[in-house]
Amino acid sequence: SAVISQKPSRDICQRGTSLTIQCQVDSQVTMMFWYRQQPGQSLTLIATANQGSEATYESGFVIDKFPISRPNLTFSTLTVSNMSPEDSSIYLCSVTSGSSGGSTDTQYFGPGTRLTVL
Amino acid sequence: EDKVVQSPLSLVVHEGDTVTLNCSYEVTNFRSLLWYKQEKKAPTFLFMLTSSGIEKKSGRLSSILDKKELFSILNITATQTGDSAVYLCAVVNSGNTPLVFGKGTRLSVIA
Repeated sequence: SAVISQKPSRDICQRGTSLTIQCQVDSQVTMMFWYRQQPGQSLTLIATANQGSEATYESGFVIDKFPISRPNLTFSTLTVSNMSPEDSSIYLCSVTSGSSGGSTDTQYFGPGTRLTVL
Repeated sequence: EDKVVQSPLSLVVHEGDTVTLNCSYEVTNFRSLLWYKQEKKAPTFLFMLTSSGIEKKSGRLSSILDKKELFSILNITATQTGDSAVYLCAVVNSGNTPLVFGKGTRLSVIA
């Protein structure tokens, strides 16, 4: 399985500021995803981070609010822009690990970033 | 619309009890079903099920899939306080599409 690290592990931010979360994987992976988990809720997919092209966003999420970079096959960043208290969540990076990188491969999660916006 | 429903939403048991968590799904082009355990932040992978009737087992945890009735169960025997967590069920569609998650079952095991 892939080993995934995220930075920061937690942060407390002021309203109106932005935070960039980093996700590093110990091996090249085809698929990288960013999820959000609001308090008491299940995981919601924000976007699929595509290497070398723009991320694919899910309904309700836009690039201006959640810009994503993926410069190579082992690294991605998610920025939460112009934060409000409603953005307080756990943000999780996830990868598909396997030789084919296809959807039948297991998806693993990073340790998460707990964001609190005041 | 693809849907994954877990039940119960929460459960409180005593140490030593056996619990069964349920996951039903409605998805197009089903490929596989995944179970995760989430204690603090990151979901930890437990099982991936692709075939009906084949039990996956890891210690006190086991899981089975019924593709005809579109559900899976996760069993935990002789529960311990360390089993307290949210258990998430997710389904994989065909192609490189994202997982569809259920809302999870919050299990609390009390001594």
